Order: sequence, then C-alpha cells, then structure tokens
Amino acid sequence: ILNVEQSPQSLHVQEGDSTNFTCSFPSSNFYALHWYRWETAKSPEALFVMTLNGDEKKKGRISATLNTKEGYSYLYIKGSQPEDSATYLCAPTSSGSARQLTFGSGTQLTVLP
Amino acid sequence: NAGVTQTPKFQVLKTGQSMTLQCAQDMNHEYMSWYRQDPGMGLRLIHYSVGAGITDQGEVPNGYNVSRSTTEDFPLRLLSAAPSQTSVYFCASTRDSLNSPLHFGNGTRLTVT
Repeated sequence: ILNVEQSPQSLHVQEGDSTNFTCSFPSSNFYALHWYRWETAKSPEALFVMTLNGDEKKKGRISATLNTKEGYSYLYIKGSQPEDSATYLCAPTSSGSARQLTFGSGTQLTVLP
Repeated sequence: NAGVTQTPKFQVLKTGQSMTLQCAQDMNHEYMSWYRQDPGMGLRLIHYSVGAGITDQGEVPNGYNVSRSTTEDFPLRLLSAAPSQTSVYFCASTRDSLNSPLHFGNGTRLTVT
C-alpha cells in the first residue's frame, strides 16, 4: 500500500478561475499514475494515465504534469466552470505492486457560478 | 456497449446474512477489481484478478471472497455480513495492466443492519 497525499482536501473557486491540485506519492519504483474525476452520485471517470517523468497530458481545459523523481503530480483546470465541480482522485502504482492502484482521498472542487 | 455492469444497485442485509455482488464487463478486459468507498477513506482495494482463474487480495480483503471463472464476470461474496461492511462497492476493469485507465461500474450501495 502506497502513501498517497492529495492537497488541498477541498477547494471553492469562482467560475472562470484557474486552479490546481497536488498529488504526492513515493518516488521509488514508480510505475504509473492515474487521475480520475468523480461527480456526486456517479462513478469515477478516468482523466489521465501517466507513466513517464516529465509527462504532460491535456484534455480540454484540464491538464496534468508528472514528476516521478520527486514523487508528485499536478492537475490544472483552466477557466473553471460549474460542471467541473467534482472530486478529483489520483492513484499511483509502483512496480512492486503493479497490479494494485492506491487511491488518494481526493480533492473536492466546488466551482461557484 | 454496456461496459462494466454491477448488480444490484442497492441492498440491505441483516448481520450474518450472505450475498453476492455481481460484476460483468463486455470489453474483454483481463484485469478486474473490487473497491469499497467509505467517507474520508477514499477507494480501497478489496480483491483483484489479472485473468480467468487468478485472484489476489488487495488492501482490505477480510470478510470477502471472489472468484474469476470467466473473463467477463468477477463476483464479490460476503459470507457473513457485518455492519462494518456497510459501504459503496465499485467494480472496475482494464485491459491487462495498470498503464491503462480503469473503467468503473455504477456502484452498489450496501447497508448491513
């Protein structure tokens, strides 16, 4: 089981603001990092799977970066919209446990109109 | 394309009763897994399977059994339900390794009284 920390735990922003969250994980034996978006009363939906140090992924207004050497990933949302309100989960896996994802507790984002 | 299908959506059990949560996927995914989600705890892995006939324990396996007789199905059995098993359960699958995203079912909300 990996030690995964996500910060902040929750965040309120105004519509149109840009924001970012952090996911920290052990840097040793890194294999992959997943980001998921989880809306209330729905199931988690994959955003990105990142495997290489320096990876940058983008999907619309959402992007993510990965630093495997220092053990962190940032998720950015540009120009937040109310429909971006959700909990954002990260989940790393290491080569020692490459068949298991360990999920962080998530960052709960609320975008106020 | 149905994706990952979980049944039932809701279930109430009395302490000591047994039941099976069903999970089926039609994407020919080799990897399947069960998570439970509790407030403040994030998603925790119960059991997983990397292919038919192969299962392994996750972070919180006690009180649960699984089997994988076909690629499509991965049922989760509670042999003697306890109030501590009150939770929301998610089944998830992916192609064959964790450098691909998980596809989640819609969840089963279980209450044990």
